[in-house]
Amino acid sequence: GENVEQHPSTLSVQEGDSAVIKCTYSDSASNYFPWYKQELGKGPQLIIDIRSNVGEKKDQRIAVTLNKTAKHFSLHITETQPEDSAVYFCAASRPRDSNYQLIWGAGTKLIIKP
Amino acid sequence: EAGVVQSPRYKIIEKKQPVAFWCNPISGHNTLYWYRQNLGQGPELLIRYENEEAVDDSQLPKDRFSAERLKGVDSTLKIQPAELGDSAVYLCASSFGMLTDTQYFGPGTRLTVL
Repeated sequence: GENVEQHPSTLSVQEGDSAVIKCTYSDSASNYFPWYKQELGKGPQLIIDIRSNVGEKKDQRIAVTLNKTAKHFSLHITETQPEDSAVYFCAASRPRDSNYQLIWGAGTKLIIKP
Repeated sequence: EAGVVQSPRYKIIEKKQPVAFWCNPISGHNTLYWYRQNLGQGPELLIRYENEEAVDDSQLPKDRFSAERLKGVDSTLKIQPAELGDSAVYLCASSFGMLTDTQYFGPGTRLTVL
């Protein structure tokens, strides 16, 4: 089955700098890759997603890149702000069939230092 | 528009006691998910409903866990009897349709089994 590995487990960056979180997946049939942000005491919230027919997607300070050949995808946050501090999860899923589900990474705790 | 509502937010019980969690998804969302999230890990799917039908319950420990989604709207997840290892955050999410639609999460119920 699918396995998603996420690195690093903790990332500390200076406010204003960029942060990069990387994930690898094992199932070459996976075609949907969302990123979620989870703040303390809250449920995960989708911040950006990408499908396998594109290599990069950007939304203001957040971007995601996908390398299908290498089976890895990354989250890039530029000009980090204190409110970016949270746990970030990547996930992957196969096309919709009877056994599909989102497989999640273990999460990255992002700390923005003032 | 109201988000996914879960109750209770916190529950503390002794082992061997029963416990139930309730979820009300976003209006119009046909797909409902129950996840379990252990500390420092990503969510793990327990069960997925399409309307009132449980279409994926392969990871639900059926000896002690049960779920229902009567009338295809709100849902209840039950554990009986609870074990120490069941301590976790139980998250409910909903989406309009396909898995690749955005999943919207509730705040979760933090369960502590003593």
